[in-house]
Amino acid sequence: AQKITQTQPGMFVQEKEAVTLDCTYDTSDQSYGLFWYKQPSSGEMIFLIYQGSYDEQNATEGRYSLNFQKARKSANLVISASQLGDSAMYFCAMREVDNNAGNMLTFGGGTRLMVKP
Amino acid sequence: DSGVTQTPKHLITATGQRVTLRCSPRSGDLSVYWYQQSLDQGLQFLIQYYNGEERAKGNILERFSAQQFPDLHSELNLSSLELGDSALYFCASSVGWGDTQYFGPGTRLTVL
Repeated sequence: AQKITQTQPGMFVQEKEAVTLDCTYDTSDQSYGLFWYKQPSSGEMIFLIYQGSYDEQNATEGRYSLNFQKARKSANLVISASQLGDSAMYFCAMREVDNNAGNMLTFGGGTRLMVKP
Repeated sequence: DSGVTQTPKHLITATGQRVTLRCSPRSGDLSVYWYQQSLDQGLQFLIQYYNGEERAKGNILERFSAQQFPDLHSELNLSSLELGDSALYFCASSVGWGDTQYFGPGTRLTVL
């Protein structure tokens, strides 16, 4: 069984500073994918970034980067130069890659990020 | 805008009733997924369809059912509704069965 843990229920960051949101995972699969999604107060789920278990480089997408440490089973999201619009819930998710298991995502409990002006 | 559409945006109904939530995937996407987000359970996977066939099943109650039609849109049917079914229901889609999932805006269901 997979498990995603986000230990920070809430965090504050000063505008223009960088922030790291923690995510640890537990899986016995060799092939898996890790995702981060953002959920603003309006409710939609916005895909931010993806890291495959076999990817050697950490994923980056604009101001978002994923600090992937496979041995530690962690996939932390780093947001650089925080903006007020970054205030939202952030969810880490893992995909089980199994021909018999489809493509379900297992989500962590989320971290609420609040950016202070 | 992810390109995934869901209707209705809000739904208020009474216990014991039946509702249908509708989802249209992004153009070209063959897979559709349904998730439930509630305060006590968090985000939970319900079911996945790929090109019309059920592909994976998660924590979906027997009172709930879904299908994907030939035009690839999907419907989630919730019956004998209970107060605890109140939640935000998301549809997501992906190109194939193992690709990044893009979420729709969700349908907020309130059962009174």
